[in-house]
Amino acid sequence: AQTVTQSQPEMSVQEAETVTLSCTYDTSESDYYLFWYKQPPSRQMILVIRQEAYKQQNATENRFSVNFQKAAKSFSLKISDSQLGDAAMYFCAYRSISATNKLIFGTGTLLAVQP
Amino acid sequence: GAGVSQSPSNKVTEKGKDVELRCDPISGHTALYWYRQRLGQGLEFLIYFQGNSAPDKSGLPSDRFSAERTGESVSTLTIQRTQQEDSAVYLCASSLGGFRVQETQYFGPGTRLLVL
Repeated sequence: AQTVTQSQPEMSVQEAETVTLSCTYDTSESDYYLFWYKQPPSRQMILVIRQEAYKQQNATENRFSVNFQKAAKSFSLKISDSQLGDAAMYFCAYRSISATNKLIFGTGTLLAVQP
Repeated sequence: GAGVSQSPSNKVTEKGKDVELRCDPISGHTALYWYRQRLGQGLEFLIYFQGNSAPDKSGLPSDRFSAERTGESVSTLTIQRTQQEDSAVYLCASSLGGFRVQETQYFGPGTRLLVL
């Protein structure tokens, strides 16, 4: 079975600085999808960025980018020019292409942004 | 509506009572998911509906949990004889469905359930 591990329960960053959130996963599959979701205090889960495993190029979405290392099964999220609105819980998630479309989540990293 | 909606937003119940949680997916989304989020934890998959296919119930933790969906609209998650360990936020998500494996799941705000 696939598992997702986020080893940083909490992180802190100064406004305008860069922070990297770590995620590792375990799978025997060769093709899959990886996601980062943001959950602010409102509880609404918001998709931040998505990576297809068959693509070597790292995904980017404005200030958000990933470092996808397939061989190492690592999928870190980099947030550049951090803003106060980035403060939230961040979840890494895995999705198989061969099974139900369910997402397998890590335990999350709580990001604080200091003014 | 514009997004996934869930009701109630919060629910407090007594141990042993039954509860029903409701999810209204985005119009036109054929796929619907229920997840559970315990305090300080990630989301756990509970059940998945795709159109008129048999639902994937592999994540339901016990036979006290059940869910229904009428066509491609509203879904109800029912927890019978609630226990304190059922206290959690229950999140619903919907997506376009089918075989678009790259598709995005859109989440509702969740229902926070507290069992006393």
